[in-house]
Amino acid sequence: AQSVTQPDIHITVSEGASLELRCNYSYGATPYLFWYVQSPGQGLQLLLKYFSGDTLVQGIKGFEAEFKRSQSSFNLRKPSVHWSDAAEYFCAVGAGGNKLTFGTGTQLKVEL
Amino acid sequence: DGGITQSPKYLFRKEGQNVTLSCEQNLNHDAMYWYRQDPGQGLRLIYYSQIVNDFQKGDIAEGYSVSREKKESFPLTVTSAQKNPTAFYLCASSRETGQSRDEQFFGPGTRLTVL
Repeated sequence: AQSVTQPDIHITVSEGASLELRCNYSYGATPYLFWYVQSPGQGLQLLLKYFSGDTLVQGIKGFEAEFKRSQSSFNLRKPSVHWSDAAEYFCAVGAGGNKLTFGTGTQLKVEL
Repeated sequence: DGGITQSPKYLFRKEGQNVTLSCEQNLNHDAMYWYRQDPGQGLRLIYYSQIVNDFQKGDIAEGYSVSREKKESFPLTVTSAQKNPTAFYLCASSRETGQSRDEQFFGPGTRLTVL
């Protein structure tokens, strides 16, 4: 069965600094990979997704992620963080059928 | 506007009572899902449905029940058998069945508190 690990529970960055959120997955073949963002008390919104092809994926709100098969990773990055980016971020993997497996999330705090 | 609605936003229940959470979508999606979210545990799949009148158990189905009588509706009942029902519940839908590459669209969630 597939699994997802987000090793950082909390991350704090200063506004304007760069950001990288880590995601590692376990799956035997090439998975479908997603990053979602959740504001407090709200549902999840898709930031970006990877299926195949170019391993650097661009998403909404200036986010990007890079798929690295050799490291089983799909890290999320942003060059310059804005205060409005403070939220919880979830990595997810889809490996068949309709089911997605989600990581436990990384809570991002942005210091002004 | 197309989307997913969940009601109510907050729900309080006494121990021993069943309660039903509503989920409606007007996206014409075939597949619908229910997740439970607890702090530090991410999202865990309770039930999912790929088509009307059919649904499958997810990873934590015990103490929950669902129905899918209409394409746009997928209500979740939290029964008295669920030992720890206090949580945030999220409903989602996706366009195609059997395609985990499809984006799942999420509703705003229902926070259930058992008193």
